[in-house]
Amino acid sequence: GAVVSQHPSRVICKSGTSVKIECRSLDFQATTMFWYRQFPKQSLMLMATSNEGSKATYEQGVEKDKFLINHASLTLSTLTVTSAHPEDSSFYICSALPTGTDTQYFGPGTRLTVL
Amino acid sequence: GEDVEQSLFLSVREGDSSVINCTYTDSSSTYLYWYKQEPGAGLQLLTYIFSNMDMKQDQRLTVLLNKKDKHLSLRIADTQTGDSAIYFCAPMFSGGYNKLIFGAGTRLAVHP
Repeated sequence: GAVVSQHPSRVICKSGTSVKIECRSLDFQATTMFWYRQFPKQSLMLMATSNEGSKATYEQGVEKDKFLINHASLTLSTLTVTSAHPEDSSFYICSALPTGTDTQYFGPGTRLTVL
Repeated sequence: GEDVEQSLFLSVREGDSSVINCTYTDSSSTYLYWYKQEPGAGLQLLTYIFSNMDMKQDQRLTVLLNKKDKHLSLRIADTQTGDSAIYFCAPMFSGGYNKLIFGAGTRLAVHP
């Protein structure tokens, strides 16, 4: 149980384009999901907290107009990187919090490369 | 802000025990988690401990919590090559919203 999927697993795009990453909880409902970014050989940096039916809460220093988050259902949150640039290249990981619990379950991550 | 520190590397021989240590600053964390990350993958929940416990054992894993010293450790008994990965200590932030505070991760290398 508690499986989280992400799609796509890898994406390469051109500079200036937008990329959408999906995070799904497959066997549970999640009122809250989280989006993280991980640089090579570094820890996870929390970007934002996504709440179903309401606006995401962004961490300090994260541009909300660049990283658009939508949590339209209890099993799906999306992160859209708008007007991507090479410095946005990174490993993006989501996690989901089963409703009523305190433990986050992580997706397998999405490797974004911007050329 | 709150901080979590871990040693970056640990090398052990197959069959030995591994002990990964973590210190943290948020004294009010209620849950403290250990996650494992293999190369190119997401994080796998290994175990967690509630702050009113001193120890939790789960098969080969033993978690020790010293709340006074704000020290958390993960012991892996009979370490196998499949245990080679990065291990993250992640106390839950007591300021709410179920946020986790991640350490830098400890890279465990298991050699024959």
